[in-house]
Amino acid sequence: KQEVTQIPAALSVPEGENLVLNCSFTDSAIYNLQWFRQDPGKGLTSLLLIQSSQREQTSGRLNASLDKSSGRSTLYIAASQPGDSATYLCALSGNTPLVFGKGTRLSVIA
Amino acid sequence: EAQVTQNPRYLITVTGKKLTVTCSQNMNHEYMSWYRQDPGLGLRQIYYSMNVEVTDKGDVPEGYKVSRKEKRNFPLILESPSPNQTSLYFCASTKGTEAFFGQGTRLTVV
Repeated sequence: KQEVTQIPAALSVPEGENLVLNCSFTDSAIYNLQWFRQDPGKGLTSLLLIQSSQREQTSGRLNASLDKSSGRSTLYIAASQPGDSATYLCALSGNTPLVFGKGTRLSVIA
Repeated sequence: EAQVTQNPRYLITVTGKKLTVTCSQNMNHEYMSWYRQDPGLGLRQIYYSMNVEVTDKGDVPEGYKVSRKEKRNFPLILESPSPNQTSLYFCASTKGTEAFFGQGTRLTVV
């Protein structure tokens, strides 16, 4: 059964830093990977979707990469801002239901 | 605007009193699903539906029912709620491999 792990579980950084969030999965068969943002008590907002044939996607200050062979994805956030504070979730998608990691809770300190 | 709408957003109920959480999407997606989110456990799938009149169990289906009589609606039914079903619930609608989530329903069963 596919398992998704996100490290670290929590991260606190000063404003302006670049940072990397990690997501690893156990089954390296071809999957698409989606990164979400969740604010406390709120719904999930899709940030980036990496198709199985792609290696990375970029949106503004966010860049997500996917390495299927090693079972890893990273979310890079450039020049972090206090408004980036949230929980970031990765999820594997495809023909099977989404499998989520437990998230990384990010705090950006002004 | 493409969206997934859940109602109610907040609900407090008593043990054993049947309730329904509604979910509607306006994107004509075939695949819809329900998740619950609990601290330390992350998001877990309850039920999913690949099309009208086609539903199947996810990882934690016990105590829940669903129906899919029309493409846009996918209600979650708790016939006899119990305190261990206190959770944050999300409905999702998927096109291809990209998932869109509702804003969530916070359910408390006392």
